[in-house]
Amino acid sequence: AQSVTQLDSQVPVFEEAPVELRCNYSSSVSVYLFWYVQYPNQGLQLLLKYLSGSTLVKGINGFEAEFNKSQTSFHLRKPSVHISDTAEYFCAVTLISGTYKYIFGTGTRLKVLA
Amino acid sequence: GAGVSQSPRYKVAKRGQDVALRCDPISGHVSLFWYQQALGQGPEFLTYFQNEAQLDKSGLPSDRFFAERPEGSVSTLKIQRTQQEDSAVYLCASSLVAGGGTDTQYFGPGTRLTVL
Repeated sequence: AQSVTQLDSQVPVFEEAPVELRCNYSSSVSVYLFWYVQYPNQGLQLLLKYLSGSTLVKGINGFEAEFNKSQTSFHLRKPSVHISDTAEYFCAVTLISGTYKYIFGTGTRLKVLA
Repeated sequence: GAGVSQSPRYKVAKRGQDVALRCDPISGHVSLFWYQQALGQGPEFLTYFQNEAQLDKSGLPSDRFFAERPEGSVSTLKIQRTQQEDSAVYLCASSLVAGGGTDTQYFGPGTRLTVL
């Protein structure tokens, strides 16, 4: 079975500072990896996804993530955050074959402070 | 363009009542998913449709939960005899192609169900 662990439930950071949101996964087979953002009272929005190829993936709003197969990690980073980045961030995986449902982590609440 | 819409956005039910939650996917999207998101948790898979066919319902927590997509577009998630533990946000997502982990799932805003 697959699982996703987001180690930090909350991450406070000052505006214009860098941030890293951690995601580790467990799977005996290959997976695709995703980061979604959820703003208050809105649906989940895709930030970026890793399917294959380059392990560094760039997404929207200046976010990027690096896939590390040996450490089974897919950490999300942004070099300089804005107040508007305050939201809940979810890491998710899905198998590359035979299934289609996402398995989500429990989420990390990013709070950007002025 | 229009995204995934869900209605109602909020629903309060008394324990034992039946509820129906509606999802309008993006037009032309083949795949439709329902997820349940409890407070402070990530979304958990409930069921998956490919057009009108329900291919996976392994995540439905009990036989009180029933989903349908009779014409391959709009979907309804029905919960019979609601219980307090059913309180959660119910998310609907759609994607363009059939199955396929590479395809992006687009999520609706969710329906927040509160069972008193």
